[in-house]
Amino acid sequence: DIQMTQSPSSLSASVGDRVTITCRASQPISSHLNWYQQKSGKAPELLIFDASTLQSGVPSRFSGSGSGTDFTLTISSLQPEDLADYHCQQSFSTPVSFGGGTKVEI
Amino acid sequence: QLQLQESGPGLVKPSETLSLTCTVSGGSIRDSDYYWGWIRQPPGKGLEWIANIYYSGSTYYRPSLKSRVTISIDTSKNQFSLNVNSVTAADTAVYYCARRTMTAVASRPYDYWGQGTLVTVSS
Repeated sequence: DIQMTQSPSSLSASVGDRVTITCRASQPISSHLNWYQQKSGKAPELLIFDASTLQSGVPSRFSGSGSGTDFTLTISSLQPEDLADYHCQQSFSTPVSFGGGTKVEI
Repeated sequence: QLQLQESGPGLVKPSETLSLTCTVSGGSIRDSDYYWGWIRQPPGKGLEWIANIYYSGSTYYRPSLKSRVTISIDTSKNQFSLNVNSVTAADTAVYYCARRTMTAVASRPYDYWGQGTLVTVSS
């Protein structure tokens, strides 16, 4: 199985800050990487697919990059509504697997 | 707008069977571009994929759960279901149903999710 490791597990930042979350796969997964945002008590929502493509309706301050084993989710200017957990997920092979999540606090 | 809604008991006794149903509205579960799946999240922990099913009935299971899990689909009701037998406290989690896009997107994400339902395993 492919293991997904996210870092940091939590971070605290201020409104307007640039925030970066990393996700590392235990083996190469090409660009088969998705990012989800999960607000407290809610279901995850798709943010980015194919490592760098923004899902429709997602603000442009979110961006994704990377391929192979190392991936990054960036929030260019943190907003109060970005308070959430963020999860990466690989779909290169079955079973699909998620990272442990990153809690973003403001 | 596609919507998914989980339903089922919120409390299950140890050794018994957990049964959940996901009702899909605003779209057809027979759409060949999508798979339908279950994902769970133990309290305070990360997400864990459980199983997927295609409208044709093809199924895919997490290997570590395969011996205890059954996923099924009822296209006439636009529903799919999950059974987990011989449950223990480790199966306590929020269970989500979700749609997985299988065409036109290489990373095949889960793009629509239900709101989730908490299932507690306790006597």
